[in-house]
Amino acid sequence: EAGVTQFPSHSVIEKGQTVTLRCDPISGHDNLYWYRRVMGKEIKFLLHFVKESKQDESGMPNNRFLAERTGGTYSTLKVQPAELEDSGVYFCASSQVGLVYEQYFGPGTRLTVT
Amino acid sequence: GIQVEQSPPDLILQEGANSTLRCNFSDSVNNLQWFHQNPWGQLINLFYIPSGTKQNGRLSATTVATERYSLLYISSSQTTDSGVYFCAGRVNAGNMLTFGGGTRLMVKP
Repeated sequence: EAGVTQFPSHSVIEKGQTVTLRCDPISGHDNLYWYRRVMGKEIKFLLHFVKESKQDESGMPNNRFLAERTGGTYSTLKVQPAELEDSGVYFCASSQVGLVYEQYFGPGTRLTVT
Repeated sequence: GIQVEQSPPDLILQEGANSTLRCNFSDSVNNLQWFHQNPWGQLINLFYIPSGTKQNGRLSATTVATERYSLLYISSSQTTDSGVYFCAGRVNAGNMLTFGGGTRLMVKP
């Protein structure tokens, strides 16, 4: 069974540009989460999808971040326009819906904004 | 939200030594996970352990939910155990995991 995959693994962009990160969850996992770790800080929750619906986006830092999950499969996270403080590692995780709620994480996308 | 504190923040071991990492929670959690972040930055699931004790090879974990803490034991450490260990918990009312600051482990040969 394939794990959570993320693309790209690394992205370097200039301040003001746009970047789109992609996450493919484990097949059959309806829950999809985005987290990020900015330099020196803890891993923080961004938002949670159940299928194609946003269940909780309380962790999204501002309106420069837009997440979508059309069709309830893969998800994208767009940052537009990117700022220096957006640099960090963006993780995606997925889990099944049910009593066992273990989340499985992807390898992350390292975003560098210069 | 809950606060998650991990200790120690840094740990240096000689290969073959044993260690205990601790995770304290400010509130009750119904999902507790331990992860190992390897040198490539990947978060590897170690344990899903909301309560009780589990073992997997040289690693074991114990969560005492009523006292709001979890322990990760590493026995006979190897250099490949190096990296950052994170614990993360989920409270009843939410779906997100709240992470601790991690314990950075270095195992020397």
